Amino acid sequence: SQKIEQNSEALNIQEGKTATLTCNYTNYSPAYLQWYRQDPGRGPVFLLLIRENEKEKRKERLKVTFDTTLKQSLFHITASQPADSATYLCALDGTTGFQKLVFGTGTRLLVSP
Amino acid sequence: SAVISQKPSRDICQRGTSLTIQCQVDSQVTMMFWYRQQPGQSLTLIATANQGSEATYESGFVIDKFPISRPNLTFSTLTVSNMSPEDSSIYLCSAKPYNEQFFGPGTRLTVL
Repeated sequence: SQKIEQNSEALNIQEGKTATLTCNYTNYSPAYLQWYRQDPGRGPVFLLLIRENEKEKRKERLKVTFDTTLKQSLFHITASQPADSATYLCALDGTTGFQKLVFGTGTRLLVSP
Repeated sequence: SAVISQKPSRDICQRGTSLTIQCQVDSQVTMMFWYRQQPGQSLTLIATANQGSEATYESGFVIDKFPISRPNLTFSTLTVSNMSPEDSSIYLCSAKPYNEQFFGPGTRLTVL
């Protein structure tokens, strides 16, 4: 069956450290993968998109990697801050050509001062 | 990018009634989507709403329960019909101008 898995346990880290979140998928062949941030009671906010032919994408303190062999994406936040505390969702297009995003369950990140 | 607004932001409704949620995008987009997010869960796609065609519903969602309109390239509505407490959720409108997909702030629905 098709699955998108993110660590359901919250990730607790100290301010200034690098947070690394994992997204694994099975039985998908996505053309691209996206990461979103979601704060409680709000809609998801788009962060980064990485294509299947890209290994790595960066934006300010964010870095995403995409390994289509391992079927895994890693999301890194360097020099983390308490304001980075949120739930982070990965999403990929579930069916090539139809562009429907399918979401993982999300990982809650808690950055303590 | 796309800026998306939704109305209402929240509502409390009685069982058996219907609620229509409006979604406005600040630019013309071909593809719009409606998602549901139940408490503590991730997003589940309800339907894809493309202008000029009937909405396409995902497994488990039917038009009679969630009728959708898409009258133009910047606007869509989702109606939650004959509501029950199980419909209590956050409903999210989304638009996809290119490959990136953007979301509205959501409508928090509580059904008593």
